[in-house]
Parts: sequence; structure tokens; C-alpha cells
Amino acid sequence: ETGVTQTPRHLVMGMTNKKSLKCEQHLGHNAMYWYKQSAKKPLELMFVYNFKEQTENNSVPSRFSPECPNSSHLFLHLHTLQPEDSALYLCASAGAGGRDEQYFGPGTRLTVT
Amino acid sequence: GDSVTQMEGPVTLSEEAFLTINCTYTATGYPSLFWYVQYPGEGLQLLLKATKADDKGSNKGFEATYRKETTSFHLEKGSVQVSDSAVYFCALRNKLTFGTGTQLKVEL
Repeated sequence: ETGVTQTPRHLVMGMTNKKSLKCEQHLGHNAMYWYKQSAKKPLELMFVYNFKEQTENNSVPSRFSPECPNSSHLFLHLHTLQPEDSALYLCASAGAGGRDEQYFGPGTRLTVT
Repeated sequence: GDSVTQMEGPVTLSEEAFLTINCTYTATGYPSLFWYVQYPGEGLQLLLKATKADDKGSNKGFEATYRKETTSFHLEKGSVQVSDSAVYFCALRNKLTFGTGTQLKVEL
């Protein structure tokens, strides 16, 4: 039990679809993150939120749109994706202190057809 | 900029063998260092951490020591089990920098 949940666990979508990934943390953390994990590539940090405010966007294409309505919930809205966007999308949370470990969710395995 | 370099895998060992996975880093200041483990089909889990120089993190028989002089944080375990088969990531807290991961396969 990691305290970070993600839904759905698996998602198959066409390039014209719109879908959303959801992440929820029950750890009382104030920082939340989206990562992309592709085969044979390093883990890529996509977005960082601290106290609901986006503090980092690592040049992510606009077809990925994050939303953080409160410190416990994080969404990633997807539209007009490309096949190369197929990957495991991981959500994580951490304390806002800057030295703490991150807690990861199980990920959403996304396949774009 | 900050970076983490891990040995490339896969690393294949027999059960009860000694494990070392090398990790070196470059960073500004003295960030916290972590090892995470990812089992098939799951997210990353924290394995151990060290927050300052000479700290030793340990968990489930795994150990790593924060070596400032060699900028290293090598992961070791004295006797691996089949259940240790997973991908291991070294990471540092500055800019949330992760290594590329090292796959470990342990065979009977």
C-alpha cells in the first residue's frame, strides 16, 4: 500500500480521443508529480505541482494538460496523442521540504493506436 | 547540471550471490540520495535513502553509503533472492534526477 492510487491502470485510446488520468494521494503531501516512463529511456519528469501551483513544466507538448484542483488530486488530460506517447505514466507525491523521498503510484499503462 | 549514472543492465546473478549496482552522481550541494525499486507491472517504491555524507541507508538486506569524496551511492546486498528480480533506480533529490535503471535478474 503506497498511499498513491492511479486510475485507470490501463488505457487504450485512439489519436483523436480525449481521456484523463487520475492520481490521488492519501499521505498529506503538498507536492505532486507526473512522470513518463518509456522502454529503454530514463524516467522523464513532466510536471510538478507544489501546493496546487504548477512549478515545473519540462517542455511537455500541449496535448498533455495537467490539473491539480487540490493537494490530494492530480489529473493529466490527454487529447490528440501520438503513438510515441504510449508509455507508463507515473504519479508521485512528496513532502514540500525538498529533501524527502517521493511515493509513487502504480502507473497507468497508456497505448495510443 | 545534476546527473546520475548507473551501470547498465541487465545484471544476472545466481541466488545467494553478492550484488553491487554502481551509481555515481554530479550535483550542486549535498542532495538526498535514494534507491528505488520497480517490480514488473508496478510503480517505483523507495528502497532506501541517505540524506547526508557518510550516511548508510539500509532496508531488506540492501545497503548503500553516501560517499561524498567519490560522489557515489552504490547499492549492495550480500545474498540475493529470486524475489529481488526487479529494476533498480538511483536518484538524487535535486531536480528529481533519476538514473536510467538497472535490471536485476536472479536465477535459481
